[in-house]
Amino acid sequence: SQTIHQWPATLVQPVGSPLSLECTVEGTSNPNLYWYRQAAGRGLQLLFYSVGIGQISSEVPQNLSASRPQDRQFILSSKKLLLSDSGFYLCAWSVAASGPYNEQFFGPGTRLTVL
Amino acid sequence: DQQVKQNSPSLSVQEGRISILNCDYTNSMFDYFLWYKKYPAEGPTFLISISSIKDKNEDGRFTVFLNKSAKHLSLHIVPSQPGDSAVYFCAASEPHRPYNQGGKLIFGQGTELSVKP
Repeated sequence: SQTIHQWPATLVQPVGSPLSLECTVEGTSNPNLYWYRQAAGRGLQLLFYSVGIGQISSEVPQNLSASRPQDRQFILSSKKLLLSDSGFYLCAWSVAASGPYNEQFFGPGTRLTVL
Repeated sequence: DQQVKQNSPSLSVQEGRISILNCDYTNSMFDYFLWYKKYPAEGPTFLISISSIKDKNEDGRFTVFLNKSAKHLSLHIVPSQPGDSAVYFCAASEPHRPYNQGGKLIFGQGTELSVKP
């Protein structure tokens, strides 16, 4: 069976510090990978998605970047965090060749607080 | 521009009664819709889905209805249980794209359901 891991579970960082959140998927190959953010009281906002190693699409202009160095590894980064980067970050995966039916499976999330 | 909207931020229901969660969308090209359930500090879990060729899909206590002309879908939970208390997100899939373009989901803001014993 497939599992998705995210770490760390919680993180408190000062403004201006760097960020690295990691997501890995097990039990599947060549998944589509996604990073979402849920800000307080808001819905899920898609930040990045990737259809393969080194292939990253950005959905919204922001202070963050993403990388996919390996097939089942997805990393969210920032060089300098802003207060507005606080939120709950979720990684998700889906089967690549699923046609129009794109059920996504989510990881446990990382709670980021920028002070 | 919010393409998927859940206009009720919260809903409170008595145990054993029906819970009805609503979702509206604006893009008539959406062809697949999903409901996710989310507990605090956890990732969303997939609940039920429906494609645009159907108007109803049922799975145990959960039924999703799709009204394409009204661009509206709803999730019915019958009977509601205290363990159903969570935030429910509806999501829509963008029009069919080649698999190598990612197949993105557009989420609503969520509705927090509280089922009281």
